[in-house]
Amino acid sequence: DAGVIQSPRHEVTEMGQEVTLRCKPISGHNSLFWYRQTMMRGLELLIYFNNNVPIDDSGMPEDRFSAKMPNASFSTLKIQPSEPRDSAVYFCASRLTDSGANVLTFGAGSRLTVL
Amino acid sequence: RKEVEQDPGPFNVPEGATVAFNCTYSNSASQSFFWYRQDCRKEPKLLMSVYSSGNEDGRFTAQLNRASQYISLLIRDSKLSDSATYLCAVGGAAGNKLTFGGGTRVLVKP
Repeated sequence: DAGVIQSPRHEVTEMGQEVTLRCKPISGHNSLFWYRQTMMRGLELLIYFNNNVPIDDSGMPEDRFSAKMPNASFSTLKIQPSEPRDSAVYFCASRLTDSGANVLTFGAGSRLTVL
Repeated sequence: RKEVEQDPGPFNVPEGATVAFNCTYSNSASQSFFWYRQDCRKEPKLLMSVYSSGNEDGRFTAQLNRASQYISLLIRDSKLSDSATYLCAVGGAAGNKLTFGGGTRVLVKP
């Protein structure tokens, strides 16, 4: 199993530019989560999907952030326009949600620097 | 008040010693509890789930105290390789979100 795959691993961009982060969950997993991690705020949940449907997006900072999951094997997190305060590591995680399991598996993360 | 809180540390631990730390949560309806380990510049990785009766995995012991709403992690016979940040995660029923604490940093020294 290749695990959760995220791209790009690193991105440096300038303020105002659009950023698109990508995630491929583990095959067969039916829930997908986007988290953001900074030193100041720790690991924050931005949004999560169950069966490709967004369930809770209350953690999305503002309208500049959007996430989609067009199918079970792909999700994107888009920031437009980006700002320096968006600099963070963005993690995607997936799980097989059934009656008992609640364990998340994380991707390696996308480290974003906005200048 | 944050939903899930941890002492950030660092806990400086002599090699071979025992270290323990807690994680408090605010939602009394929480049903699932985990400890994750995160190495520097890496992703969090599951260390162990926490069960109501407490559970042990080698040198690691996790406990859940529902009355006081905290979970704990104890590491016995600490190894240099145990140096990491330990994140607790708390969730509702299966299908719900998982909220992480800020992490407790542990440094094991020779």
